Amino acid sequence: DQQVKQNSPSLSVQEGRISILNCDYTNSMFDYFLWYKKYPAEGPTFLISISSIKDKNEDGRFTVFLNKSAKHLSLHIVPSQPGDSAVYFCAASNRVYQGAQKLVFGQGTRLTINP
Amino acid sequence: ETGVTQTPRHLVMGMTNKKSLKCEQHLGHNAMYWYKQSAKKPLELMFVYNFKEQTENNSVPSRFSPECPNSSHLFLHLHTLQPEDSALYLCASSQFYRDRGLSNQPQHFGDGTRLSIL
Repeated sequence: DQQVKQNSPSLSVQEGRISILNCDYTNSMFDYFLWYKKYPAEGPTFLISISSIKDKNEDGRFTVFLNKSAKHLSLHIVPSQPGDSAVYFCAASNRVYQGAQKLVFGQGTRLTINP
Repeated sequence: ETGVTQTPRHLVMGMTNKKSLKCEQHLGHNAMYWYKQSAKKPLELMFVYNFKEQTENNSVPSRFSPECPNSSHLFLHLHTLQPEDSALYLCASSQFYRDRGLSNQPQHFGDGTRLSIL
């Protein structure tokens, strides 16, 4: 039972255009969402996050949108650059009062930016 | 450059061997995590340590034994592993604010140890 799903295994976008990566979740108790980027032979790198009290968070070229009613979040990258080519993971966690957070990850989407 | 360092980067071992994976974080965090990523599967949380105390064991077999001697170091001791344990093992750390009761801080990952069981 996968609680966080990235239904597109791959996405190809032309340089300079907008890249939109999508993520769906099933657990309505999730209240914190993150996007990570991963290059081959490296660990995931934190990109951007959003709390469930917000519906948008922006950091430079990266914007994350959260639609709680649809249990859907998306990552927008604009403009897309060749260095953005990587695997992108969506992750979510429940509010935790006693211990540290438990992240649940999606399967990842491989983004390729074409020159 | 990562603030979380994992060694070794690659490990090949037989099923009867005993080995350990090491993780060190230089970020001043107080929570550390072990994850497993098998081929074509999402990252799966294995263990969570909070202020050096294990707060989560995600139904991991006893052939995996974690150790957290201090908030900067985390080990994963391996013994009598199975071929299906071949995977990428990732360590992460984050800051947990106990007085706030919440932990919405991002986790920062190391580059992982690629483990192959013969």
